[in-house]
Amino acid sequence: QKEVEQDPGPLSVPEGAIVSLNCTYSNSAFQYFMWYRQYSRKGPELLMYTYSSGNKEDGRFTAQVDKSSKYISLFIRDSQPSDSATYLCAMSAGNQFYFGTGTSLTVIP
Amino acid sequence: DTAVSQTPKYLVTQMGNDKSIKCEQNLGHDTMYWYKQDSKKFLKIMFSYNNKELIINETVPNRFSPKSPDKAHLNLHINSLELGDSAVYFCASSQGDRDTQYFGPGTRLTVL
Repeated sequence: QKEVEQDPGPLSVPEGAIVSLNCTYSNSAFQYFMWYRQYSRKGPELLMYTYSSGNKEDGRFTAQVDKSSKYISLFIRDSQPSDSATYLCAMSAGNQFYFGTGTSLTVIP
Repeated sequence: DTAVSQTPKYLVTQMGNDKSIKCEQNLGHDTMYWYKQDSKKFLKIMFSYNNKELIINETVPNRFSPKSPDKAHLNLHINSLELGDSAVYFCASSQGDRDTQYFGPGTRLTVL
């Protein structure tokens, strides 16, 4: 079993829709949870960062962590065409970082 | 100013050659990483350096060797390149080994 599982998509939504992206994991030692956005032919850029369980909101983006279910989510409200990218979840325990395979998102104008 | 930079951006070379990719960060971070992203977009960590000490060395071939002349640089040397080495290689840095990582723009390596 992979440490981190993420549905690769692709996911296609109309502009203005609410997008839900998810990852599951198997290692209960993970404490730091991140979401990265990667545009085509660019490096991943940090979008959201949370520690342990709970919610964190930043503008149109909300990250949720449910450690009891080993499940993390990223919600995008009022999605825009500029949100079209690949979204990677990542998590860490100590000095070990693990990434999901990424979900490809297209927001259609 | 670019926080994490890599050179070259594109690298096309023949099988069997030896090549290097350079990485520099101006964030003052003390940990740097190299990742390989394959055609399926899976991002796999290869190495990390903390204060010039290798602290992660995943099961990568010993043809790959990281070299860190100082805290701001972590270069990746690849010997005897193979077709399967074709991928995008990303450098990243963080403050401490538990902090979030900031990525460079990537180096697209194509081995012919």
